[in-house]
Amino acid sequence: GDSVTQMEGPVTLSEEAFLTINCTYTATGYPSLFWYVQYPGEGLQLLLKATKADDKGSNKGFEATYRKETTSFHLEKGSVQVSDSAVYFCALKSPAWRALTFGSGTRLQVQP
Amino acid sequence: DTEVTQTPKHLVMGMTNKKSLKCEQHMGHRAMYWYKQKAKKPPELMFVYSYEKLSINESVPSRFSPECPNSSLLNLHLHALQPEDSALYLCASSQGDKKNDEQFFGPGTRLTVL
Repeated sequence: GDSVTQMEGPVTLSEEAFLTINCTYTATGYPSLFWYVQYPGEGLQLLLKATKADDKGSNKGFEATYRKETTSFHLEKGSVQVSDSAVYFCALKSPAWRALTFGSGTRLQVQP
Repeated sequence: DTEVTQTPKHLVMGMTNKKSLKCEQHMGHRAMYWYKQKAKKPPELMFVYSYEKLSINESVPSRFSPECPNSSLLNLHLHALQPEDSALYLCASSQGDKKNDEQFFGPGTRLTVL
């Protein structure tokens, strides 16, 4: 079945540091890939997505590239802010399944 | 309007109560979802409605009963819940159920079962 593996958290960074959160996947066919962010006490917000190999999704300074050869979709940001502190979920949606498959989530803590 | 709304925001109920969670979207989406999220865990799929028909039920206990009265509304009826059912219940919608269709989530209902 489909699965998503994310790096364990929490990830603790100082403000303006470079962020990478690793995400790899296993899926049937060619899935679409997503990053969602969840701030404390809130629902999930779509951060970015990519629907085919080599696509780069980007939003609010975050980027991720769909790498079919390594089955990865790592999230990066060049300079994090305290306001980026949240839980980040990598997810996929395959042609064979009608809902999202989520990774376990990675908590990011950014210190001033 | 790109918003999914959920009511109530918080709900406390006893094990013998009957209550309902409500979800609404006005984006013209034809697929709607219920997820359950326990603390520090990812969302777990419960139900999927596609064109107002239940298309996926992830072996959810019968004390949870979904209903889709029309394309904009999704309800989750709760009856005889257990304390372990306490969680954040998230509703989502998408244009359709194809792989490129991104899901929009509501803020959730935080449910506590006493």
